[in-house]
Amino acid sequence: AQSVTQLDSHVSVSEGTPVLLRCNYSSSYSPSLFWYVQHPNKGLQLLLKYTSAATLVKGINGFEAEFKKSETSFHLTKPSAHMSDAAEYFCVVRAWEAGNNRKLIWGLGTSLAVNP
Amino acid sequence: DTGVSQDPRHKITKRGQNVTFRCDPISEHNRLYWYRQTLGQGPEFLTYFQNEAQLEKSRLLSDRFSAERPKGSFSTLEIQRTEQGDSAMYLCASSSVGGQGTDTQYFGPGTRLTVL
Repeated sequence: AQSVTQLDSHVSVSEGTPVLLRCNYSSSYSPSLFWYVQHPNKGLQLLLKYTSAATLVKGINGFEAEFKKSETSFHLTKPSAHMSDAAEYFCVVRAWEAGNNRKLIWGLGTSLAVNP
Repeated sequence: DTGVSQDPRHKITKRGQNVTFRCDPISEHNRLYWYRQTLGQGPEFLTYFQNEAQLEKSRLLSDRFSAERPKGSFSTLEIQRTEQGDSAMYLCASSSVGGQGTDTQYFGPGTRLTVL
């Protein structure tokens, strides 16, 4: 069975310091993995996706994530946090099921706070 | 490509009333999804269309909920006899099947429903 675990429900960083949001997944098949961001009272925006190409994936707004199969991880990082990065972040795995490859499994989200 | 749009953005209704939401997907996207999101939670899958065919409905989708996509373009989600527990953000996403079946979903801004 496929699952995704976001290891921190809340992360707080200072502006200008690095961001690390942790995500572990479980999948019987080669997964597709995504990070989405949601700002308060807004819809979900795709940050980046891994689809079995390069293991280091670059996304928008300076974010990147590295797929590590041996660790079953897909952590999201950014070298320097900006105030506008404060939001909820969701790690998502695409579940491959027989005859059905569209189901998304969502993590519970990590709330990122950026302090001035 | 203007992205996924949803209308209205906010809806306040009294318990027992019917409401209808509209979603316009990214043009030429053949898949359309509806999700519900409550405060502090990730999105919950409700239903999904490929072109005009509704291929799956979640058990969360009670008989009071109905969705249509009559011409394979925009979709509507209707909730009959609304209850206070229906208060949530209703999200629409669209996708097209890409290489390796990645089927990346792009989300609209959501419709926030408040049932009084």
